[in-house]
Amino acid sequence: GAVVSQHPSRVICKSGTSVKIECRSLDFQATTMFWYRQFPKQSLMLMATSNEGSKATYEQGVEKDKFLINHASLTLSTLTVTSAHPEDSSFYICSARDPTFASTEAFFGQGTRLTVV
Amino acid sequence: QKEVEQDPGPLSVPEGAIVSLNCTYSNSAFQYFMWYRQYSRKGPELLMYTYSSGNKEDGRFTAQVDKSSKYISLFIRDSQPSDSATYLCAMTVNQGGKLIFGQGTELSVKP
Repeated sequence: GAVVSQHPSRVICKSGTSVKIECRSLDFQATTMFWYRQFPKQSLMLMATSNEGSKATYEQGVEKDKFLINHASLTLSTLTVTSAHPEDSSFYICSARDPTFASTEAFFGQGTRLTVV
Repeated sequence: QKEVEQDPGPLSVPEGAIVSLNCTYSNSAFQYFMWYRQYSRKGPELLMYTYSSGNKEDGRFTAQVDKSSKYISLFIRDSQPSDSATYLCAMTVNQGGKLIFGQGTELSVKP
């Protein structure tokens, strides 16, 4: 299957700083990527849909000024958590769809565990 | 009421057992149904994908969809310790649409 690479896998940052997470589709071009947040023992909650060359679409309740998403190329989307606070600590996961596949199969990155201290 | 309900478990079974994992949903417009496996601290990986109602088998895994009851299942035969993970159901209305996930069921297969 297609490969989606997410980096870093783990990051610890100080409160008030910003953190950037990268999501790359390695062997296909992804016009759409998705960003999820997952709390321990809970499901994946969609934060936003990232479209190449246009503004991201955020889900209700997600602060667009806090979670900045950029999808500058067909293989790279970034999520920047600005002015991070301890409550932003979570597991962030990206996914991408290969448009050449007829199905809705989404390929997920390895996830990034963010800890804000 | 959540759109997708899934018992979080944990579910513990002995090696070799048949495992049954289930999800119920409320939105009758869902057409595409998926099961993902997620190991600890990793991203989910797709196990099974089903369109509309019916059964689909892949090795030790069988996915069932009953749209009339709004109920989907994943069966794992001859379960192995390596099957120990969290299993997430997901569904969407159309291709390319937003995936709605269940809470995930934590499965532990004991040797």
